Amino acid sequence: DAKTTQPPSMDCAEGRAANLPCNHSTISGNEYVYWYRQIHSQGPQYIIHGLKNNETNEMASLIITEDRKSSTLILPHATLRDTAVYYCIAGYSGGYQKVTFGIGTKLQVIP
Amino acid sequence: DVKVTQSSRYLVKRTGEKVFLECVQDMDHENMFWYRQDPGLGLRLIYFSYDVKMKEKGDIPEGYSVSREKKERFSLILESASTNQTSMYLCASSLTEAFFGQGTRLTVV
Repeated sequence: DAKTTQPPSMDCAEGRAANLPCNHSTISGNEYVYWYRQIHSQGPQYIIHGLKNNETNEMASLIITEDRKSSTLILPHATLRDTAVYYCIAGYSGGYQKVTFGIGTKLQVIP
Repeated sequence: DVKVTQSSRYLVKRTGEKVFLECVQDMDHENMFWYRQDPGLGLRLIYFSYDVKMKEKGDIPEGYSVSREKKERFSLILESASTNQTSMYLCASSLTEAFFGQGTRLTVV
């Protein structure tokens, strides 16, 4: 599985867009980019994933660069409840999956 | 709703005890995982299983073993618990995205 690199921490003002970057320069052609978040004391929660096209759901948007070496998770209007650790991982969809997490980005939403 | 259930939320065991952490999923997923989480170290993969009776070591398998006799159940075994195995343990299952249980906070005294 490709290694991902994220900044250890970020701040965002409440109501503003939170843009969380992730580098995955060794991602293979059929590996997806997945994003999860973990709110304190809970298990991680899936947010979104994509292969090469940009994706949007009710929680967030995922922008993947054309060369697929990096991506950005966008929370369009951050709230205090979005304060969490966000994990970006590269992995396969379906079948054999060895899902490994890094340290993630601690996002602090500030009132 | 998708569900991954871990048998205990909190557990206290003595050094040297054999400890079983149980995880059950109701989604018919092939893949199941055990992680541990410690402050500053993120989630680290201990073992995962991609099918019944199939297992593969993760990044930190030492001191642990696993069992997957049925598709829905994945057990983590600490053969002889030690204080450095005090941690939060998280189980997950996946087909595409992963679903996590609520975690078991294990304290070894």
